[in-house]
Amino acid sequence: GDSVTQMEGPVTLSEEAFLTINCTYTATGYPSLFWYVQYPGEGLQLLLKATKADDKGSNKGFEATYRKETTSFHLEKGSVQVSDSAVYFCALIFFSNDYKLSFGAGTTVTVRA
Amino acid sequence: KAGVTQTPRYLIKTRGQQVTLSCSPISGHRSVSWYQQTPGQGLQFLFEYFSETQRNKGNFPGRFSGRQFSNSRSEMNVSTLELGDSALYLCASSLRQGANYGYTFGSGTRLTVV
Repeated sequence: GDSVTQMEGPVTLSEEAFLTINCTYTATGYPSLFWYVQYPGEGLQLLLKATKADDKGSNKGFEATYRKETTSFHLEKGSVQVSDSAVYFCALIFFSNDYKLSFGAGTTVTVRA
Repeated sequence: KAGVTQTPRYLIKTRGQQVTLSCSPISGHRSVSWYQQTPGQGLQFLFEYFSETQRNKGNFPGRFSGRQFSNSRSEMNVSTLELGDSALYLCASSLRQGANYGYTFGSGTRLTVV
């Protein structure tokens, strides 16, 4: 079945460091891909998305490119802030009869001042 | 514009009881999905409703059920609660079914079964 694999955390960084979180997927076909972020005590917020190959999603300094050839959607940010401390989830969904989001396990990121 | 509202935020129930959780989607959104989040299993899909009809269901026992009303508000019910049902239950709404419309999540209901 469809699945998402994220790099395991936790990840601890210093402020202004470069962040990358790897995400790869297994799916029959071409899903839409998402990154969600969850801050402590809150629900999920959509961070960015890409719906077809080579699309680049971006938001709040975060970027991810849909790579069909490597079935990947790695999240990157050039200079993190303490406020970026959160859990990040990679997810996929098919634009078909099956409209459920399949999530990765999540990666906890802590940014130190 | 109000977001997705889930009530209550926190709930403590005893094993064997039943519970009903509520989700009010963003105005105009007709699709509502439910997810269970636990430390061990992560985020798992429960079910999705669109226009008052269940369109998709995850791999959960029949104790988990839901419904959607004509105003798109949704409820999920868990009967005969077990300790393992302790989790954060998240609701997500979308304008329509389909990936490109995006899903907006609520803050969740934290259920603790004792």
